[in-house]
Amino acid sequence: EVQLVESGGGLVKPGSSLKLSCVASGFTFSSYGMHWIRQAPKKGLEWIALIYYDSSNKYYADSVKGRFTISRDNSKNTLYLEMNSLRSEDTAMYYCAKDGLYWYFDFWGPGTMVTVSS
Amino acid sequence: IQLTQSPSLLSASVGDRVTLSCKGSQNINNYLAWYQQKLGEAPKLLIYNTNSLQTGIPSRFSGSGSGTDYTLTISSLQPEDVATYFCYQYNNGLTFGSGTKLEIK
Repeated sequence: EVQLVESGGGLVKPGSSLKLSCVASGFTFSSYGMHWIRQAPKKGLEWIALIYYDSSNKYYADSVKGRFTISRDNSKNTLYLEMNSLRSEDTAMYYCAKDGLYWYFDFWGPGTMVTVSS
Repeated sequence: IQLTQSPSLLSASVGDRVTLSCKGSQNINNYLAWYQQKLGEAPKLLIYNTNSLQTGIPSRFSGSGSGTDYTLTISSLQPEDVATYFCYQYNNGLTFGSGTKLEIK
């Protein structure tokens, strides 16, 4: 059974940094691309980052480009999202998701909440 | 590509056939998926590539469409189908629709 579990969320002040983690199990993590997607409170969904299975390519939404960095450690079955220069508009539930072989998401974690507020 | 879902709120009775619409601002080339999100939960993949049913999803869910216009159909609405449904395109950029909230009448 595929399982994804995010952690690392919390309450931070504008301008600060935070690093999210997503531990994967139940599939060969090193064979699949992985995504981060976020959802602001009572809002829709926004894809924010993709990393290829071997970290050879990384893609970002314009809203986070230059501030967020996606990475992975295949030896630990873990996906990361390093978030810098956080803004109030980054407040959201952050989900990691497994790529379904062509840039859609076939499994999601339960999410970790990030709140950016002074 | 921007996605417009309609209606934003749908109220239907158990057993009804329900149709949700998703329209793209450009041709999506069938690279469209549907997700179900129940209150307080992560989204779940229902349909990918317009009409491919994800493993484990009940056969009452089906998808269709082409070009810019796509549809999710629930053939016989069940109480557990209460949720918000999002369409998502991966043809040009990666974007979600704003969702259709489905309620039981």
